[in-house]
Amino acid sequence: DVKVTQSSRYLVKRTGEKVFLECVQDMDHENMFWYRQDPGLGLRLIYFSYDVKMKEKGDIPEGYSVSREKKERFSLILESASTNQTSMYLCASSSLDRVGTEAFFGQGTRLTVV
Amino acid sequence: QKEVEQDPGPLSVPEGAIVSLNCTYSNSAFQYFMWYRQYSRKGPELLMYTYSSGNKEDGRFTAQVDKSSKYISLFIRDSQPSDSATYLCAILAGNNRKLIWGLGTSLAVNP
Repeated sequence: DVKVTQSSRYLVKRTGEKVFLECVQDMDHENMFWYRQDPGLGLRLIYFSYDVKMKEKGDIPEGYSVSREKKERFSLILESASTNQTSMYLCASSSLDRVGTEAFFGQGTRLTVV
Repeated sequence: QKEVEQDPGPLSVPEGAIVSLNCTYSNSAFQYFMWYRQYSRKGPELLMYTYSSGNKEDGRFTAQVDKSSKYISLFIRDSQPSDSATYLCAILAGNNRKLIWGLGTSLAVNP
């Protein structure tokens, strides 16, 4: 079974803190993604990576950065957390090989910034 | 115009009803169309995908693509309370990496 594991289910952080969200996948997938999901706005892509040390901005990268030092791990960093970054964060991975390939998601991290 | 449009609902139906969920898209070059299901407090999971036009059936679920109208549909027959979830359409962009997502339609099937 494919597994995408996010380090925390729930997180509460203070405004201005640096926040790290970790994601690990065990299927040797090339592609990894970070999304945030908000009511009425759907899934929005923050960053994605298609190889180690490679990253591309998604639709809403402002206030975020990412790190992919190893193929199986993709980290999302909130440089200085703000209340408008309170959201559900979802990590996903997919294989480059199969056309029309499935994206596998983690269980999500509900981040609250106070 | 958004690349993918999906009515967020909510949709509420009685058990046993036929459910129709729909999305429209703007780029005629898109070829891979997917439906994901997301239960509350979980990540989305792939339900079905289709390539180009036509129908694909899997048990009680049928995915349909009409490329001439740029319209994709998911039909659920004999709906069950366990089908209550948010259904998201997604389209694979041409570079085979990024998915373009609809907002998701919230479905409640009432016993």
